[in-house]
Amino acid sequence: GQNIDQPTEMTATEGAIVQINCTYQTSGFNGLFWYQQHAGEAPTFLSYNVLDGLEEKGRFSSFLSRSKGYSYLLLKELQMKDSASYLCASMDSNYQLIWGAGTKLIIKP
Amino acid sequence: GAVVSQHPSRVICKSGTSVKIECRSLDFQATTMFWYRQFPKQSLMLMATSNEGSKATYEQGVEKDKFLINHASLTLSTLTVTSAHPEDSSFYICSARGEGGDTEAFFGQGTRLTVV
Repeated sequence: GQNIDQPTEMTATEGAIVQINCTYQTSGFNGLFWYQQHAGEAPTFLSYNVLDGLEEKGRFSSFLSRSKGYSYLLLKELQMKDSASYLCASMDSNYQLIWGAGTKLIIKP
Repeated sequence: GAVVSQHPSRVICKSGTSVKIECRSLDFQATTMFWYRQFPKQSLMLMATSNEGSKATYEQGVEKDKFLINHASLTLSTLTVTSAHPEDSSFYICSARGEGGDTEAFFGQGTRLTVV
């Protein structure tokens, strides 16, 4: 079956660094997406990885290991506005997105 | 990134009536559109996938006669919730993707539907 696992909730301190992990099992693989979703709003795109390695984009970085079926989203210099849910999604061989349940990130002052 | 406009953002309707939600890609041609539903504190659930000019493909458990999807052009898809009931109250989100299966999907702003 197809499955995406990520932690339900994480807490971090303003100014710190947090890593949100995601493991996936999908029928085929055409890339791994990370989205940010604030409460009551639609998700917004953060990153897309299809090759192994780290992609850095400002304060956010995303890593992929295809052999391990593993990805993480790294958030640096955390700000209060980063409090949101972070959704991991894997694209399968049919180019369909398989979604994780999301990780609720709580930032404390 | 590309812009996908979804309208309305919020709608309240009476039980038994129908509601239409529009999803437009403003600066690219959306060959594929996805419609999702999200209940509180849950992940996105794909309802259906539509390709321009063809019938939508519905996920298991989604009633195609209740959730009518039309993707008549490369920039517009609509979802009509027919004979809405309170249990249909949810957050509905569309996303659109251009040509090329591995391209990023852009999301609309979402529609909060409340059926009273």
